[in-house]
Amino acid sequence: NAGVTQTPKFRVLKTGQSMTLLCAQDMNHEYMYWYRQDPGMGLRLIHYSVGEGTTAKGEVPDGYNVSRLKKQNFLLGLESAAPSQTSVYFCASRTTSPNTDTQYFGPGTRLTVL
Amino acid sequence: ELKVEQNPLFLSMQEGKNYTIYCNYSTTSDRLYWYRQDPGKSLESLFVLLSNGAVKQEGRLMASLDTKARLSTLHITAAVHDLSATYFCAVGKTSGSRLTFGEGTQLTVNP
Repeated sequence: NAGVTQTPKFRVLKTGQSMTLLCAQDMNHEYMYWYRQDPGMGLRLIHYSVGEGTTAKGEVPDGYNVSRLKKQNFLLGLESAAPSQTSVYFCASRTTSPNTDTQYFGPGTRLTVL
Repeated sequence: ELKVEQNPLFLSMQEGKNYTIYCNYSTTSDRLYWYRQDPGKSLESLFVLLSNGAVKQEGRLMASLDTKARLSTLHITAAVHDLSATYFCAVGKTSGSRLTFGEGTQLTVNP
């Protein structure tokens, strides 16, 4: 049981390049989330999904797109990277059971945009 | 818009001392979470508080929730160096809802 995994762990992009971050979970969780973490700002929600085939915007969705074609995977895309998107990105998943209401986080992806 | 504020943001304390981290939030919510993050690592769940008056303890850490005051506290008893980390609180309105995180409290425990 690997929990939540993220690919890649590190990436350097040039301004204007595109990339996709992959999040996978093997806990059969319905909910999945993408956050970014910047110094002094805690975690901010980018997009989230409440089930396969559904996505919704979070606090800071601009410049990102997501897809959830399979329940276990949640993809985060940057179509045209900007230096302001330099950050650490965390994926998380969560069950809908109210008695075990915890978000489980992946190890993070450190992205630098030059 | 839900806002979550933690204080202090930075805390340096000596081993053996006690201290409390505070988490205030702006709108009615019925669940609060505490997470720990070590430098360069991911977030680890510490506590989930699901009702007014809830208190949970694990080792030297104890968390409590007062939904009427919109306040949660994380109390550290007899701190040890291994507790050095950043602690986040997060608030969710209902089960399964999105979470809003505080800025984090960076705790350093000195020998």
